Amino acid sequence: AQSVAQPEDQVNVAEGNPLTVKCTYSVSGNPYLFWYVQYPNRGLQFLLKYITGDNLVKGSYGFEAEFNKSQTSFHLKKPSALVSDSALYFCAVRDPRGGGSNYKLTFGKGTLLTVNP
Amino acid sequence: DVKVTQSSRYLVKRTGEKVFLECVQDMDHENMFWYRQDPGLGLRLIYFSYDVKMKEKGDIPEGYSVSREKKERFSLILESASTNQTSMYLCASSSDRTNQPQHFGDGTRLSIL
Repeated sequence: AQSVAQPEDQVNVAEGNPLTVKCTYSVSGNPYLFWYVQYPNRGLQFLLKYITGDNLVKGSYGFEAEFNKSQTSFHLKKPSALVSDSALYFCAVRDPRGGGSNYKLTFGKGTLLTVNP
Repeated sequence: DVKVTQSSRYLVKRTGEKVFLECVQDMDHENMFWYRQDPGLGLRLIYFSYDVKMKEKGDIPEGYSVSREKKERFSLILESASTNQTSMYLCASSSDRTNQPQHFGDGTRLSIL
């Protein structure tokens, strides 16, 4: 069974500093990995994904994520945080084999990012 | 741009009522999903559907049922609402290609009194 862990419930950073939101995963074979962001009283918005190829993936709003197969990690990063980045962030994994229940995503419990002015 | 629309943003119902939550997507996606989101528990999958009239149980299907009569519409039904079903409900859809993300609606915050 696939699983995702986000070890930090909350991350606080100062505006202008780099930020990292951590994610580790467990899945059979090569994973498909996703990051989503949720602003208050809204649904989840897709940020970026890793499918194959370059381990550094770039996404929306200046975010990027680094896939590390040996550490089974997919940490979300941004070089310079903005106050508007404050939100709830979810990491998710999917089994790349198609068909039936493999279409579903398994989500982490989320990390609340607060960027202080 | 993909649009997933949930019929209500906020809903208040009473214990024992039958509750319908509706979700419509406009991208001809094969797959649709219902999640509930609770603080500290993240997103938990209730049911999903990978084709019209097809459904599969997710991780927490008890107390819920679903209906998918048309490709664009996926309904979640609380057969007899209980207070422990007070939650945020999120609908999502995705294409048949596993390398594509799921797209989410804005959610329905449901309160059962």
